[in-house]
Amino acid sequence: SAVISQKPSRDICQRGTSLTIQCQVDSQVTMMFWYRQQPGQSLTLIATANQGSEATYESGFVIDKFPISRPNLTFSTLTVSNMSPEDSSIYLCSVGDTEAFFGQGTRLTVV
Amino acid sequence: DAKTTQPTSMDCAEGRAANLPCNHSTISGNEYVYWYRQIHSQGPQYIIHGLKNNETNEMASLIITEDRKSSTLILPHATLRDTAVYYCIVRATNTGGFKTIFGAGTRLFVKA
Repeated sequence: SAVISQKPSRDICQRGTSLTIQCQVDSQVTMMFWYRQQPGQSLTLIATANQGSEATYESGFVIDKFPISRPNLTFSTLTVSNMSPEDSSIYLCSVGDTEAFFGQGTRLTVV
Repeated sequence: DAKTTQPTSMDCAEGRAANLPCNHSTISGNEYVYWYRQIHSQGPQYIIHGLKNNETNEMASLIITEDRKSSTLILPHATLRDTAVYYCIVRATNTGGFKTIFGAGTRLFVKA
């Protein structure tokens, strides 16, 4: 199993600003995944964060809006840039091979 | 796009078995059937997975049809704490991690 810690757990941000979300795993993993969950919706994959290379983004998500860092095998950050109220969501990171493990998420509200 | 179809919502009486169906008619030979659930305000939680044989663990049982085009997750004695959204997912396993694509899921309401 893997234990995932996300920071912050929640935040309220002004539109036009940026927020960086941290994800720490208690073991080394090759890939980390970032998801967004809009209110009342299912999870949508944003990107896959690979250590030592650029993140791979899913359709509809771009690096300028959601830059990702992966400095080592246990840590990753997702930045939500130039935020608007439409970015209000829960952002979750995930790792796993046979099973996927998820953090508790970061609840972001943009006002 | 998600490769599975699930009912939007289901009700179950507390103490009874909850049977959650899932259709995955386009499943590939190397893809497993996974079930996760998400209790309100928490991250998704792994429940069980299988390839073609039925599987059972301390949380649930997974019944996969012989043609693998559908499956059923069974919670044998549902409790109020089992109220959650249940996601049926098909994915291949791979070392190094494999992305998980979520569908809409089934919202299960367990009622006293």
